[in-house]
Amino acid sequence: GDSVTQMEGPVTLSEEAFLTINCTYTATGYPSLFWYVQYPGEGLQLLLKATKADDKGSNKGFEATYRKETTSFHLEKGSVQVSDSAVYFCALSEKNTGFQKLVFGTGTRLLVSP
Amino acid sequence: EPEVTQTPSHQVTQMGQEVILRCVPISNHLYFYWYRQILGQKVEFLVSFYNNEISEKSEIFDDQFSVERPDGSNFTLKIRSTKLEDSAMYFCASSEDLNQPQHFGDGTRLSIL
Repeated sequence: GDSVTQMEGPVTLSEEAFLTINCTYTATGYPSLFWYVQYPGEGLQLLLKATKADDKGSNKGFEATYRKETTSFHLEKGSVQVSDSAVYFCALSEKNTGFQKLVFGTGTRLLVSP
Repeated sequence: EPEVTQTPSHQVTQMGQEVILRCVPISNHLYFYWYRQILGQKVEFLVSFYNNEISEKSEIFDDQFSVERPDGSNFTLKIRSTKLEDSAMYFCASSEDLNQPQHFGDGTRLSIL
């Protein structure tokens, strides 16, 4: 079945450093791709999405580009803040028989220090 | 901004007991979902629900599980006879349609003793 692989964490960075969290996927069709973020003690929040190849999703300084040729959707941010410390989940939606089931990666914890 | 709300935030239950987890999806959303996350593991799909019936379920969603939309606002997950391995964070989600992203609640942490 479809699957998502994320780099293992934690990723530890200093404030203002550049962030990359790698995500690759395996899918039989053409899924939509998402990044969700989970702040401590909270639920999953949609960070950004891309629905087709070469789409770039962006939000709050984060970006990710849907790369069909490398089956990747890496998350990047040019300058992280302490407030970005959270767990980041890459996910794809399977559109099987018309229903949108999300398949998640294992999550990558980001720790940003001042 | 509208939110998905889940209650309770933490539920502690004795093994073998029934538990009901409650969710209020966003009001104009038509598709509803439950996911769970066992500590340290992936978020896993359990079930999707549309038009008052289950549209898809995973292998995890066995006969011990059921979902219901008892009225126009609530969406519940029932576990009939809880087991230790049901201990997890359970997330409810909803979406307006199949082309819109799912919005998640803050989750209910279920602890089975």
